[in-house]
Amino acid sequence: SQQGEEDPQALSIQEGENATMNCSYKTSINNLQWYRQNSGRGLVHLILIRSNEREKHSGRLRVTLDTSKKSSSLLITASRAADTASYFCATVDMFSGGYNKLIFGAGTRLAVHP
Amino acid sequence: DTGVSQDPRHKITKRGQNVTFRCDPISEHNRLYWYRQTLGQGPEFLTYFQNEAQLEKSRLLSDRFSAERPKGSFSTLEIQRTEQGDSAMYLCASSLSPDSNQPQHFGDGTRLSIL
Repeated sequence: SQQGEEDPQALSIQEGENATMNCSYKTSINNLQWYRQNSGRGLVHLILIRSNEREKHSGRLRVTLDTSKKSSSLLITASRAADTASYFCATVDMFSGGYNKLIFGAGTRLAVHP
Repeated sequence: DTGVSQDPRHKITKRGQNVTFRCDPISEHNRLYWYRQTLGQGPEFLTYFQNEAQLEKSRLLSDRFSAERPKGSFSTLEIQRTEQGDSAMYLCASSLSPDSNQPQHFGDGTRLSIL
């Protein structure tokens, strides 16, 4: 079953603009991860934020985590056409027994127009 | 590091046929996962191996599904007596460390279409 909701389901912006995607989840987690998927391809890991972290940066990516609200956001700054893809948040349940299976949201489909 | 490899990339078959997919993980990774992804949705966990041991199976994995990982290297996922609802992308992922704070590396998947 899906972990939670992602918002928005679809986002269309112009190159150079920032894109913000939100993710909510339901359980207590070890960490939350963001992945990107280009059409017809596998998922590429972008960034991982641990449950005791509140914010993390990687290049043009900024992720926040609010465990009290069970939510996270992914910000892509100065977007490029090559950022066009689906973005998924995924959580590792704190009580997963060490198996580390990922529980994914339904994703946000981002379109960046030149 | 050649990445996770899946074969075939696409499989079209008639309802009722058996299909088998293969996944070659990154060579030093001891953990291997299978996920299923339907159109417009995020991947859903199917099963997980640590080395050759299958340690967890989702309730999504009916009796028609079986997965193996002989010798703890490549893995196969077999679906017997395929049904229309089996049409999906089947994704394989691998990871190295037992530490949960390690990312999973995904292959490009096998897209299964049932006629």
